[in-house]
Amino acid sequence: AQSVSQHNHHVILSEAASLELGCNYSYGGTVNLFWYVQYPGQHLQLLLKYFSGDPLVKGIKGFEAEFIKSKFSFNLRKPSVQWSDTAEYFCAVNGGATNKLIFGTGTLLAVQP
Amino acid sequence: ETGVTQTPRHLVMGMTNKKSLKCEQHLGHNAMYWYKQSAKKPLELMFVYSLEERVENNSVPSRFSPECPNSSHLFLHLHTLQPEDSALYLCASSQDHTGQGFYNEQFFGPGTRLTVL
Repeated sequence: AQSVSQHNHHVILSEAASLELGCNYSYGGTVNLFWYVQYPGQHLQLLLKYFSGDPLVKGIKGFEAEFIKSKFSFNLRKPSVQWSDTAEYFCAVNGGATNKLIFGTGTLLAVQP
Repeated sequence: ETGVTQTPRHLVMGMTNKKSLKCEQHLGHNAMYWYKQSAKKPLELMFVYSLEERVENNSVPSRFSPECPNSSHLFLHLHTLQPEDSALYLCASSQDHTGQGFYNEQFFGPGTRLTVL
């Protein structure tokens, strides 16, 4: 069965630190990849997505993610985080026979001012 | 209203009650979804409707009953729930070009926080 792993459950950073959140998935075929973000008290919203083409994807608010097919990974990065980036981040993948959108368990990011 | 709206935002119910959650999307999408979000667990897909027909049911207990009267509205009818059903229930919508759901970006509502006593 397909699965998505987010190995970092809680991350605490100071402002201006660099961020990398890991996401690995298990499926060998063509996949669509997503990062969603949930700010405190707000609904889930799309941060960025990869369907095809350049494996380095730029999203909103200075986030980017790199699809590395050989590593089954789609890690999220930001060179310098801000306090306003405090949120929960979810990686999601769809692909395979059922084409379900499978979510990871989420990573809670706290940025200290 | 824009995007995806859900009512009520909070619901407390006893195990013998019957209640319904409502979702409305204002995006012109043709696919809608119900998810369950529990603490420390991945979002669990419950139901998918594409073109108003149910295309996916992830073995959800029958105490949850979905209804999709048109492409803009989705309901989740609840009856005889258990305390472990307490969670945040999220609705989402997307534009499905293939008739099988899931392919495109999903837009989420704010959720209904359900507490079952």
